[in-house]
Amino acid sequence: GENVEQHPSTLSVQEGDSAVIKCTYSDSASNYFPWYKQELGKRPQLIIDIRSNVGEKKDQRIAVTLNKTAKHFSLHITETQPEDSAVYFCAPTGTASKLTFGTGTRLQVTL
Amino acid sequence: SQTIHQWPATLVQPVGSPLSLECTVEGTSNPNLYWYRQAAGRGLQLLFYSVGIGQISSEVPQNLSASRPQDRQFILSSKKLLLSDSGFYLCAWDDGGDTQYFGPGTRLTVL
Repeated sequence: GENVEQHPSTLSVQEGDSAVIKCTYSDSASNYFPWYKQELGKRPQLIIDIRSNVGEKKDQRIAVTLNKTAKHFSLHITETQPEDSAVYFCAPTGTASKLTFGTGTRLQVTL
Repeated sequence: SQTIHQWPATLVQPVGSPLSLECTVEGTSNPNLYWYRQAAGRGLQLLFYSVGIGQISSEVPQNLSASRPQDRQFILSSKKLLLSDSGFYLCAWDDGGDTQYFGPGTRLTVL
């Protein structure tokens, strides 16, 4: 099965700074790479995703970059705001469209 | 548009009691359906998934079971709850594509 690791497990940044979270995976057949955001007590929500034929995707303040050779992809958040505080999960998908969730990164944006 | 419902939202049950959690999806046909469990402060663990009525695949052996009696209904059950069954139970669906959408979740506490 897929082994997924996220780093760091916790991240504290000041408002306005950038945050980067990295996800490494083991299954070379993975072809879909989403990031989910989960606020305290709420459901995970998809914030950005990328497919294996693309190296980078951007949506306003968030971006995802993919390195298929090295088997990792990263979430980039620029100009962080307090409402970005949450737990972020990567969930690379291989065969059978089954997501394998990383262990999560708790992002804290301080004023 | 599609919506996904789960109930109950919260549940407190004694050890050894039965369990039934329900998930329904509206606005789509023949969705793939998933049950995940999230222990406090942890990632998401896939428990069961279903690609059609009566078709259930189990990812993790445990004292839980799942059923899909109708196209858009997915039920998670247990005959006898354990303390370790406490957690946040999330139902999710997709339309055969890669992106999964999560329900609001059920927070289960087993005492």
